[in-house]
Amino acid sequence: GDSVTQMEGPVTLSEEAFLTINCTYTATGYPSLFWYVQYPGEGLQLLLKATKADDKGSNKGFEATYRKETTSFHLEKGSVQVSDSAVYFCALSVTDSWGKLQFGAGTQVVVTP
Amino acid sequence: ETGVTQSPTHLIKTRGQQVTLRCSSQSGHNTVSWYQQALGQGPQFIFQYYREEENGRGNFPPRFSGLQFPNYSSELNVNALELDDSALYLCASSLGGAASSSPLHFGNGTRLTVT
Repeated sequence: GDSVTQMEGPVTLSEEAFLTINCTYTATGYPSLFWYVQYPGEGLQLLLKATKADDKGSNKGFEATYRKETTSFHLEKGSVQVSDSAVYFCALSVTDSWGKLQFGAGTQVVVTP
Repeated sequence: ETGVTQSPTHLIKTRGQQVTLRCSSQSGHNTVSWYQQALGQGPQFIFQYYREEENGRGNFPPRFSGLQFPNYSSELNVNALELDDSALYLCASSLGGAASSSPLHFGNGTRLTVT
C-alpha cells in the first residue's frame, strides 16, 4: 500500500541554520505530495504541496521538490527561526481514494536562539 | 473566511462509554475528513464524507461512525470506547470532487482521553 517515511526527530538546530527533513514515499500511480506543520497545541496547517514530478512547492522560505526518480519530497529551509519550531509531517494523497492523506510519523524540529 | 472549528476541545470518558465529536467545515467546503492522531504519531485516516455520504474509510472498526449534515458540518461517533481510543481527533475540510490535490484544512482537534 501507499506509505510515507520521514526522518526521525527531534532535529535540534541553532537559529539561522539550514534545515533538511527527508521524506520518501511508496505509492501506486501519481500521488500529490504535501508538507504539513503542526505548532504546539494547534491543528495541522498546509505548508506546501506539489502535484506532479519536478514540481517545487514553496512557502514561508520552505521548499520541497517532487522527485519521482528517487520517490522523495525533502523539505528544506535555508535559515530557520525560533518560530519554525514545530512538528513537520510529510503526506501523500492516496491515489485510489481522493482526499485521503497518508501521513508520515512526523519530525519534530527545535530551533534554539 | 471562517476556518474549521471543532468541539469540544478536550474530553474525558470512561472505557465502554460513547462519545460524539463535532466539526464545522470551512466556509465553501463540502467535504469533511476525520483523522485520529495518537501521541507522537502522524494522523491516521478514519473516514471522509462528501455531500452527506461516506466516501472512503480507513482501517477503523464499525464502532467509529460519522454523519455529515446539509450544511456540511459533521460528527464523529465512537461507541464502546477503549483505552487505545485516547488520541487527538482532527477534522479537516476541503473542496470535493475529482481533484485529489485539493488541500485539507484542519481544525485544532479534540483531545479525547479514555480512562
